[in-house]
Amino acid sequence: GENVEQHPSTLSVQEGDSAVIKCTYSDSASNYFPWYKQELGKRPQLIIDIRSNVGEKKDQRIAVTLNKTAKHFSLHITETQPEDSAVYFCAASGGRRALTFGSGTRLQVQP
Amino acid sequence: GAGVSQSPSNKVTEKGKDVELRCDPISGHTALYWYRQSLGQGLEFLIYFQGNSAPDKSGLPSDRFSAERTGGSVSTLTIQRTQQEDSAVYLCASSAKGQTESYGYTFGSGTRLTVV
Repeated sequence: GENVEQHPSTLSVQEGDSAVIKCTYSDSASNYFPWYKQELGKRPQLIIDIRSNVGEKKDQRIAVTLNKTAKHFSLHITETQPEDSAVYFCAASGGRRALTFGSGTRLQVQP
Repeated sequence: GAGVSQSPSNKVTEKGKDVELRCDPISGHTALYWYRQSLGQGLEFLIYFQGNSAPDKSGLPSDRFSAERTGGSVSTLTIQRTQQEDSAVYLCASSAKGQTESYGYTFGSGTRLTVV
C-alpha cells in the first residue's frame, strides 16, 4: 500500500516569513495530493490539492509543487500570519484507494 | 445536508461495552470514509465505502470493529468489547468520487471516544 512521509514534524517561523512542508510518497500510481489544515480541536479542512498532471498550483499565499519522478510534493506558505498556526497534513491516493495521510506538521507562527 | 454530521460528539464508555458511532455524509457524495485520530497523532484509515461496491475494510484494526452504510447514505461504525486503546477521535469524511479520480474530503467534527 501507499506510505506517506512528512517533514518536519514541527516548524516555527516568524510572522511574515515563508514556511515549507515536504512529503514523499511510495506508490507511483498515486495521482491526487491534497493538503489539510487542522486547527486545535477542529476538523481537518482541505486547503489545496494537486493532481499528477500538474506540477504546481497556487492559491493566494499557498502553493503546492509536485515532482512525480522523485515522488515528492511540498506545501509553501508565504507571508505567514499567526492564523496560519495549525497542524498541516499531506495525503496521497490513486484510483479507488482512500487517502493515506502523512503524520502531520505542527506550524507555529510567532508574532 | 450542508456538511458531514457525526453523532455523538463525545462518548464515554466502560471497557468491554459496545459503542455505535454515526455519520451522515453530504447529500450526493458517493464515497464515505472512517478515520481514527489518537491524541496528537495523524489520521489512521479504517474503512471506505464507494457507492454499491464492497467496502475497503483494510484499515480496520481488529474484528471488534465493523461498519455499515445503509441506502448509500448514513454509516454506522461499531466497536465491540471496547478497550482503552480504542480511545481516540473517530472522524468521518465524504467526497464526490469518480471511477478513477479522487476528490477532496469533507470531514465531520468527529466523535471523541473515551474508554474508561
